[in-house]
Amino acid sequence: DAGVIQSPRHEVTEMGQEVTLRCKPISGHDYLFWYRQTMMRGLELLIYFNNNVPIDDSGMPEDRFSAKMPNASFSTLKIQPSEPRDSAVYFCASSLLPGTDTQYFGPGTRLTVL
Amino acid sequence: AQSVSQHNHHVILSEAASLELGCNYSYGGTVNLFWYVQYPGQHLQLLLKYFSGDPLVKGIKGFEAEFIKSKFSFNLRKPSVQWSDTAEYFCAVNDGNYGQNFVFGPGTRLSVLP
Repeated sequence: DAGVIQSPRHEVTEMGQEVTLRCKPISGHDYLFWYRQTMMRGLELLIYFNNNVPIDDSGMPEDRFSAKMPNASFSTLKIQPSEPRDSAVYFCASSLLPGTDTQYFGPGTRLTVL
Repeated sequence: AQSVSQHNHHVILSEAASLELGCNYSYGGTVNLFWYVQYPGQHLQLLLKYFSGDPLVKGIKGFEAEFIKSKFSFNLRKPSVQWSDTAEYFCAVNDGNYGQNFVFGPGTRLSVLP
C-alpha cells in the first residue's frame, strides 16, 4: 500500500482565498483524522471520521474550517476564507481499528497564507 | 480534558549517550500510550505503543518505553543514541475505552551531535 496520500504537499495562498487540502487514507482503514501542527500549539486534532461520518469536530478552530469525507477513499479539509494564522502543516492520518490501533500519518501539507 | 506533558522542549546529546524523554498524562482511567517520531521534513511514524500487558515496551530502532501507572508516565528510553535519531518525539495518549481522541504532547526535539 502507498500509505496515506496528501495533496498538495505545499500550498501558498493569499489571505481571503479558499484552500482545499486532500487526503486519501490507507485502503480498508475506517478511521480518518485531520491534524494541524504549528510551533506554538504543537499537534492538534481537528476532526476525525469513522466510516465517512464525522465523529468529533470539536478541534475545528472556527466556522471557516470544514471537512468532508464523501467516500471511504477521500477526504477534504477546506478553509474559507484563509487567514495568515492558518499557516501550519496539516496532517491526515488513518487507522484500522479504534483505541489501540496505530495511526498512519501522511506526509502533510505545508500551508502558507500570506 | 486529557492532557499530555513532555518535560523537555529540546534535548541535545552526543552520540552514544543514553536518552530518556519524559511523558506524563492526566487521564486516570484505562489508556493507550504511543510514542511517535518525526524526522526532519518527514511525517510522524510510530515508534512504539502500549495498551496492555508488560509495561516495558520495545519499539523500533532500539527504543523502549516504560508505563508506570502510579506515576501516569510513559518515558521513552534508548541506551545509546545515534546521529540519525535527531528528530522530534511526540508522546500521545488516548482513552482506552475505544476512544479515538488522540491527545499529543507538545513534542521534544532531540539533537544528536556527531
